[in-house]
Amino acid sequence: NAGVMQNPRHLVRRRGQEARLRCSPVKGHSHVYWYRQLPEEGLKFMVYLQKENIIDESGMPKERFSAEFPKEGPSILRIQQVVRGDSAAYFCASSPSLAGTGNEQFFGPGTRLTVL
Amino acid sequence: EDQVTQSPEALRLQEGESSSLNCSYTVSGLRGLFWYRQDPGKGPEFLFTLYSAGEEKEKERLKATLTKKESFLHITAPKPEDSATYLCAVQAESNYQLIWGAGTKLIIKP
Repeated sequence: NAGVMQNPRHLVRRRGQEARLRCSPVKGHSHVYWYRQLPEEGLKFMVYLQKENIIDESGMPKERFSAEFPKEGPSILRIQQVVRGDSAAYFCASSPSLAGTGNEQFFGPGTRLTVL
Repeated sequence: EDQVTQSPEALRLQEGESSSLNCSYTVSGLRGLFWYRQDPGKGPEFLFTLYSAGEEKEKERLKATLTKKESFLHITAPKPEDSATYLCAVQAESNYQLIWGAGTKLIIKP
């Protein structure tokens, strides 16, 4: 009964490199959300995806950041040309039905990105 | 603007000393209010969802309540293993996003 899985758990990149974060939702969940958390701060919504569709990307910077949730395989959050300010914990969550119904989201353990 | 404020930022209690955490919110139409627990280095763990004023939910030593402006997480006779950061989030009727508070860091001393 696997929960949300994220990998890698820790990722170190130098400025200008690309970071690729992966998320496998709970089996049977078709809705995925990505959040960013800075130390001592709350979670910030980035993007909400369903299979092959981006539903809401209003929290994601328009440059350098992209997300996908293909028909097969994990959801990917991609950060191009990383800068030090991208250093944070990135969490993925999944839910079994439409987010609009107010249902709970289940979180993965996060990927901690450090940009040198 | 939808907003969530949690207080206090940190709370230290002796084992067995009951207390409450506060989550004040402003949202244009509440779809749901959520409580999560987060341990260091881990992802948030779901605790409760509350949908309407007057609603209460309980789980072991925790009880969550909801009014039109705030929610309380009451902890009764806490144990050291209850130490964690407790996060509150709201979801508005108008979109899918969860708006999060900064959390309350709870430390229970044996």
